[in-house]
Amino acid sequence: SYELTQPPSVSVSPGQTARITCSGDALPKHYAYWYQQKPGQAPVLMISKDSERPSGIPERFSGSTSGTTVTLTISGVQAEDEADYYCQSADSSGSYRVFGGGTKLTVL
Amino acid sequence: EVQLVESGGGLVQPGGSLRLSCAASGFTFGNYWMTWVRQAPGKGLEWVANIKQDGSDKYYVDSVMGRFTISRDNAKNSLYLQMNSLRAEDTAIYYCARDRWVPGAVAGSPYWYYYGMDVWGQGTTVTVSS
Repeated sequence: SYELTQPPSVSVSPGQTARITCSGDALPKHYAYWYQQKPGQAPVLMISKDSERPSGIPERFSGSTSGTTVTLTISGVQAEDEADYYCQSADSSGSYRVFGGGTKLTVL
Repeated sequence: EVQLVESGGGLVQPGGSLRLSCAASGFTFGNYWMTWVRQAPGKGLEWVANIKQDGSDKYYVDSVMGRFTISRDNAKNSLYLQMNSLRAEDTAIYYCARDRWVPGAVAGSPYWYYYGMDVWGQGTTVTVSS
């Protein structure tokens, strides 16, 4: 089955830049999406189609892609950004959705 | 207000069945693909299934194929997940989510782009245990 690979954890100090990667063989063919999930809450769509920010998402969140890796970048990290982040895409057929294992962002 | 509210979760014995519901409001339900996503305790998100606007196309993760059935009733603005032959590993919070597609163009021709799961419910908990 198709997999997306994320680092389990990333730590950053407030005001610094956090980068969370997601790797998958089909990413050059299919867009990636990023979701933020805080404890006890439902996920929230943060980045669409590799790099688009949905309405209401702060500008400090951005997405980029290079080959089989996509990256979520959070510039000027704030304490409220501490959460789990999941990438999501589709398998090679495009019909089946898949999530990465998630990355816990800790703001030191 | 755009809203999704799940219900139907609970405690069920291994091998048992459960039907989850998701009530949609604040948008034209019949215009959207819909999705079920689950999250086992302390684990990550897992896509479970999705269904086309008119119910004609459905896709499932391999681990639930043949046991779970996704369906919808557009007249009732409702999404369902019938879960049979439940196993301990099906224990999770089950979320319904709206799939958003946006119009675009490729080589001058109209094309719909998947935009992501843009609205989520708060989830309903399913526990499979004897």
